[in-house]
Amino acid sequence: EIVLTQSPGTLSLSPGERATLSCRASQSVSSSYLAWYQQKPGQAPRLLIYGASSRATGIPDRFSGSGSGTDFTLTISRLEPEDFAVYYCQQYGSSPPRFTFGPGTKVDIK
Amino acid sequence: QVQLQESGPGLVKPSETLSLTCTVSGGSISSYYWSWIRQPPGKGLEWIGYIYYSGSTNYNPSLKSRVTISVDTSKNQFSLKLSSVTAADTAVYYCARLNVVVPAAINWFDPWGQGTLVTVSS
Repeated sequence: EIVLTQSPGTLSLSPGERATLSCRASQSVSSSYLAWYQQKPGQAPRLLIYGASSRATGIPDRFSGSGSGTDFTLTISRLEPEDFAVYYCQQYGSSPPRFTFGPGTKVDIK
Repeated sequence: QVQLQESGPGLVKPSETLSLTCTVSGGSISSYYWSWIRQPPGKGLEWIGYIYYSGSTNYNPSLKSRVTISVDTSKNQFSLKLSSVTAADTAVYYCARLNVVVPAAINWFDPWGQGTLVTVSS
């Protein structure tokens, strides 16, 4: 079973700053199987990135994903007020076939 | 665009069966995979399982013995049953479409329903 670890747990930044969020897998993960979601309080998660680096429809280009193997990164180039939220990475593992989510990184206002 | 809406009881007694339905609107349930995901209050996300429109399923091994997901294409709905519930099953339950792009099998969950809180309590 692949376990995802996200760091830091909380990231305190100011609007306009750059946010770098890490997602590390316990075993190598295909880039095809890595996605990122944003969740605001009281809302469902929202897809940001799929296939490790492809932005979902309607997602601003300040959001970017990168990485391969066991290390993946979500970068928000310049934080907007609406970007303060919790971010989850998610992967699909085939042995056994299952989807798992990381514990999340909270980006809050400094 | 496609929208999903969960429905079902918000309160279930311990040892009973939790039953939820997800209604898909704005598009057909056919040719896609559909999934249930839950989130205990203040905690992270847990995938429960998915069903293909044809009826084939795959469940989280940690819940497999208690989970049944079914689909009704005539109603554009799919459903979740979770048996023998305990307080640990208290969570917001989300339904979502699982998108899979072959041959690389790139996959992601989108869109999601708004979620429904199910509390397990006597």
